[in-house]
Amino acid sequence: DGGITQSPKYLFRKEGQNVTLSCEQNLNHDAMYWYRQDPGQGLRLIYYSQIVNDFQKGDIAEGYSVSREKKESFPLTVTSAQKNPTAFYLCASSIWQTMNTEAFFGQGTRLTVV
Amino acid sequence: ELKVEQNPLFLSMQEGKNYTIYCNYSTTSDRLYWYRQDPGKSLESLFVLLSNGAVKQEGRLMASLDTKARLSTLHITAAVHDLSATYFCAVDRDDKIIFGKGTRLHILP
Repeated sequence: DGGITQSPKYLFRKEGQNVTLSCEQNLNHDAMYWYRQDPGQGLRLIYYSQIVNDFQKGDIAEGYSVSREKKESFPLTVTSAQKNPTAFYLCASSIWQTMNTEAFFGQGTRLTVV
Repeated sequence: ELKVEQNPLFLSMQEGKNYTIYCNYSTTSDRLYWYRQDPGKSLESLFVLLSNGAVKQEGRLMASLDTKARLSTLHITAAVHDLSATYFCAVDRDDKIIFGKGTRLHILP
């Protein structure tokens, strides 16, 4: 079945560690996005990418890094520079350069700093 | 900079009542989306609105878009408990999809 797969579902990180969240899609979508959601809050854009080997910072990129080496994959690394990484992370993808850019979401990764 | 504002942010209502959620955005766009999120879950797409005057309906929910006013509404008719969730609007501008803070809807039996 086509869709977006995020892994792991739950992730625990010690302070000072980098961790990488996986996002894979088989929808043949060009655009991919990473959002962060804090409890009771909306979604804030971290990074986005329209094509392979290119990506742009969103509104809260500090302390995060991404890569887009393959169309299907857009991993997010939460670095030790991110001071408050505990949050729910959502990956999405959409068709690009078309009228309907409806985003489809993965099931999310819940990251907790211990 | 694109800003998306929803109101109210929290709404508690009785079953059977009607209500409207509002979504305002700050720059021109012809692409607006509504999503639903249940507690602890991801986002589920509800409506895609792609032109001025667009209206979409699904069951007790109806969404509309006025691009001149930069306003979308999500109308709930005769609310039922199953509609309790958080509803987000999102706007696409310059390849960025920006979300509002969400409206947490609690429907009382």
